[in-house]
Amino acid sequence: KNEVEQSPQNLTAQEGEFITINCSYSVGISALHWLQQHPGGGIVSLFMLSSGKKKHGRLIATINIQEKHSSLHITASHPRDSAVYICAAAALTMNYGGSQGNLIFGKGTKLSVKP
Amino acid sequence: DTAVSQTPKYLVTQMGNDKSIKCEQNLGHDTMYWYKQDSKKFLKIMFSYNNKELIINETVPNRFSPKSPDKAHLNLHINSLELGDSAVYFCASSSWTGVGNTIYFGEGSWLTVV
Repeated sequence: KNEVEQSPQNLTAQEGEFITINCSYSVGISALHWLQQHPGGGIVSLFMLSSGKKKHGRLIATINIQEKHSSLHITASHPRDSAVYICAAAALTMNYGGSQGNLIFGKGTKLSVKP
Repeated sequence: DTAVSQTPKYLVTQMGNDKSIKCEQNLGHDTMYWYKQDSKKFLKIMFSYNNKELIINETVPNRFSPKSPDKAHLNLHINSLELGDSAVYFCASSSWTGVGNTIYFGEGSWLTVV
């Protein structure tokens, strides 16, 4: 079992639909990242969360530290949202402390939004 | 002006060769990373350097040697390349700690070993 689990693995939606991607983790973290990887391969950080909720445009990310669970929501989805969304935990370890880049990655959720 | 830049973007080379991938960041960050994305698209951290010092070294073969001449650069040198080294390698940077400091990725370097 991976230390960071994402669901679903694949998601197809119609334009305009509300989308939720879930992430559960089993390690202690200093923060949780949501990343977006476009078909061209580049990776962009969407959010970094250590508590509560963040919103950027149509994207909302939430985290529940007690339950070790985070969600990424996309409102009014659009074909340009089609990408792989990756959850990554900035793990706290005895050796590495809380470095933001000490990331354990989920396997990603491939989102396809149809017009 | 690219924040984290990697070169080359594409590299095709034969087994047994030695190659390097360069990475530079202009964000003033003190920590840089190398990640490997395998053929199944799974990402895993390889190395982390903080202020030119190795912080993380995750079960990576000795054939991989990171070199950080200064805080803005973290190069990845790979000796005796093997078929299994074929992957996409991402460089990234961030500040060491601090809530609100996110991580910035380079565009990736596609390595194919034939």
